[in-house]
Amino acid sequence: DGGITQSPKYLFRKEGQNVTLSCEQNLNHDAMYWYRQDPGQGLRLIYYSQIVNDFQKGDIAEGYSVSREKKESFPLTVTSAQKNPTAFYLCASSISVQEQFFGPGTRLTVL
Amino acid sequence: KQEVTQIPAALSVPEGENLVLNCSFTDSAIYNLQWFRQDPGKGLTSLLLIQSSQREQTSGRLNASLDKSSGRSTLYIAASQPGDSATYLCAAMNTGFQKLVFGTGTRLLVSP
Repeated sequence: DGGITQSPKYLFRKEGQNVTLSCEQNLNHDAMYWYRQDPGQGLRLIYYSQIVNDFQKGDIAEGYSVSREKKESFPLTVTSAQKNPTAFYLCASSISVQEQFFGPGTRLTVL
Repeated sequence: KQEVTQIPAALSVPEGENLVLNCSFTDSAIYNLQWFRQDPGKGLTSLLLIQSSQREQTSGRLNASLDKSSGRSTLYIAASQPGDSATYLCAAMNTGFQKLVFGTGTRLLVSP
């Protein structure tokens, strides 16, 4: 079954902690993306990667970090520098600039 | 800077109605436009992708149109069903970038 998986589904973070969200795809897509979704707002791009070992900041990259060591994987770390991390995080992938496919999301809550 | 707007924010219709969801964008230099469906607490499901050279795309009861000159796209849903209830999002990708700019969505409720 081809697709995008994200884990965990729910994640709780204490103040000052770093947490890492997992995103894996077996679609053989070159490009991968991380978005953040807040109630009443559209999705906002955090980071994206067009190829292995390369990534670019999106519109709201502050307080986040990523890596792209493998084509299939694009983990997102939410650092303690992110002051308002509670949100729904969505990972996506695509072949170049074509149709983007999304994972099921991770809901992060700060305790 | 590209801005994408969806009106109305919410729509409630009885089952069986044909309906149109609207999406407008400020910068006509788009590469493509994509329509998505999102169920509560879930990820996005891609419905239709329209390339900038196309005028419309169809999939089953769904038809999406694109008019770059007026900065508008519409999603037409024929014979709506309660299972169509969800939030519908449109997103535009500008030429030269690989970034989608999303609207805030239209929340659709189809009543039996």
